[in-house]
Amino acid sequence: DVQLVESGGGLVQPGGSLKLSCSASGFTFRSYAMHWVRQAPGKGLEYVSGISGNAASTNYGDSVRGRVTISRDNSKNSVSIFIIRLRSDDTGLYYCVRGDSGTYYGNLQQWGQGTLVSVSS
Amino acid sequence: EIVLTQSPATLSLSPGDRATLSCRASQSVGDYLAWFQQKPGQAPRLVIYDASHRATGIPARFSGSGSGTDFTLTISSLEPEDFAVYFCHQRKNPGTFGQGTRLEIK
Repeated sequence: DVQLVESGGGLVQPGGSLKLSCSASGFTFRSYAMHWVRQAPGKGLEYVSGISGNAASTNYGDSVRGRVTISRDNSKNSVSIFIIRLRSDDTGLYYCVRGDSGTYYGNLQQWGQGTLVSVSS
Repeated sequence: EIVLTQSPATLSLSPGDRATLSCRASQSVGDYLAWFQQKPGQAPRLVIYDASHRATGIPARFSGSGSGTDFTLTISSLEPEDFAVYFCHQRKNPGTFGQGTRLEIK
């Protein structure tokens, strides 16, 4: 079975930075793009970032472009995002999502349970 | 950025009813449109991908249609477990989501 386990969430002060990680198992990790999607409390879904299976291509949502860097380590079956200059509207549950192919523009097929980020002073 | 507008915001129906949910894109997304179901406290679940293809394990009462800018998710006869929030998503670069339709029991 596909398993995606996020980690790294917590309380961060505005202006700070944070690294979120996702550990994957149950599939051939390097064959699939990986994505991050977030959800503010009680709100809708927002695409954050994606990376192709071979790490050659990346994609960013408009609201985070320039503040987020996505990376992956296919030898460790993990994907991470590093977010800088955190703002209160970055607060939310961050989901790790597996795509349905190696390309970053594929479908969002399998979701983890999320890690919670709270930006507050 | 492509904006997706879902309607209605809330849909109140009874088990056994037919549900029709709409998603409109601000510009053409071809058939790069998916639907997700989210229940309270759970991660979203892929229901329909590429406009009309049911995801693995999704019952046949769910169907999707449309292309370009106008899309529809239809649930032919609602079961109690279908009441949830539904989001549409387009995967052109970069991807965006609709604001969601809450399907509630009448």
